[in-house]
Amino acid sequence: DAGVIQSPRHEVTEMGQEVTLRCKPISGHNSLFWYRQTMMRGLELLIYFNNNVPIDDSGMPEDRFSAKMPNASFSTLKIQPSEPRDSAVYFCASKQDRRNEQFFGPGTRLTVL
Amino acid sequence: DAKTTQPTSMDCAEGRAANLPCNHSTISGNEYVYWYRQIHSQGPQYIIHGLKNNETNEMASLIITEDRKSSTLILPHATLRDTAVYYCIVGYDKVIFGPGTSLSVIP
Repeated sequence: DAGVIQSPRHEVTEMGQEVTLRCKPISGHNSLFWYRQTMMRGLELLIYFNNNVPIDDSGMPEDRFSAKMPNASFSTLKIQPSEPRDSAVYFCASKQDRRNEQFFGPGTRLTVL
Repeated sequence: DAKTTQPTSMDCAEGRAANLPCNHSTISGNEYVYWYRQIHSQGPQYIIHGLKNNETNEMASLIITEDRKSSTLILPHATLRDTAVYYCIVGYDKVIFGPGTSLSVIP
């Protein structure tokens, strides 16, 4: 099993540009989570989906952030427009229903100049 | 809102047991205790979880007090590769990470 796959691994962009982060969960996993990690705020849950439906998006910082899960094998997190304070490592994780452990991807390191 | 309290940092000698404490006095009846760790620049890695009973797997043991207000993660024979930030989390489907304990295993 390839594990959770995230792309790109690194992204450098300029303020105001649109950024799209991608995640492929482990096959058969029903829940998908997006996290953001910074030195100042630690690891924050942004949003999670169950069976492709957003369940809790209370951690999404503002309207510039949006997430979609069009099917069971793909999710995107979009930032439009991006700002320097969005610079962070963004992690995607997935898990099976009736199992407790989340499996994390390697993360995408985003730098907004 | 942090639901758990952990020491900021700990040291452990290589080969010795590492005992990482966690307080979760406001845990509710259906919430699990989870432990994850994060090695520098990698994604968090699941270690173990429990509800009421003590648990053991190939990585660690989890001791939960009878009142469920605290727990201890035990790495029985710490190695240098166990140096990481260890997160104690309580929750159900949704888990909220706190600052964790930075464990340094010293040769």
